Amino acid sequence: DVKVTQSSRYLVKRTGEKVFLECVQDMDHENMFWYRQDPGLGLRLIYFSYDVKMKEKGDIPEGYSVSREKKERFSLILESASTNQTSMYLCASTTSGTVYEQYFGPGTRLTVT
Amino acid sequence: QQPVQSPQAVILREGEDAVINCSSSKALYSVHWYRQKHGEAPVFLMILLKGGEQKGHDKISASFNEKKQQSSLYLTASQLSYSGTYFCGTSAAGNKLTFGGGTRVLVKP
Repeated sequence: DVKVTQSSRYLVKRTGEKVFLECVQDMDHENMFWYRQDPGLGLRLIYFSYDVKMKEKGDIPEGYSVSREKKERFSLILESASTNQTSMYLCASTTSGTVYEQYFGPGTRLTVT
Repeated sequence: QQPVQSPQAVILREGEDAVINCSSSKALYSVHWYRQKHGEAPVFLMILLKGGEQKGHDKISASFNEKKQQSSLYLTASQLSYSGTYFCGTSAAGNKLTFGGGTRVLVKP
């Protein structure tokens, strides 16, 4: 069974804190993605990576950065958390190309107070 | 730009049919459909590639009209287990998908 795991299900942080969200996949997938999910807006792509140390901006990268030092691990970093970054964050992975399904992690619900 | 899904929500009785549409302003190469149940991760349903091929997953099927840049998901003889939020994800090329805002489906007994 393909497994995508995320470091926390729930996280509460204060404004201005640096926040790390971690995602690990066990299927040797080349591509990994970070999305945020907000009601009515669906899933919006923040960043994705198609190889180790490679990254590309998605549709809403402002306020976020990412790191991929190992193939199985993709981290999302909020350098200085703000209240408008309160959201559900979902990680996904897939084999290279868009003809393959994406496998999603369970999500991290981040609240910034 | 995100694809537009319609309707935003639909309520069905068990056994009824429904159609969910996904429209894009861009030329599409592939369309993905996912379902997300409350509190769970989105789960893949099917992929449609350029060429108008229709796919099926149990009694859920989909079509892809590349000329109209539109895909439709058909829920036939709906079951209680079909409840959830359905998302389409579209790709013009490359590795990334752009998801629509989702359609909430509630199937009642």
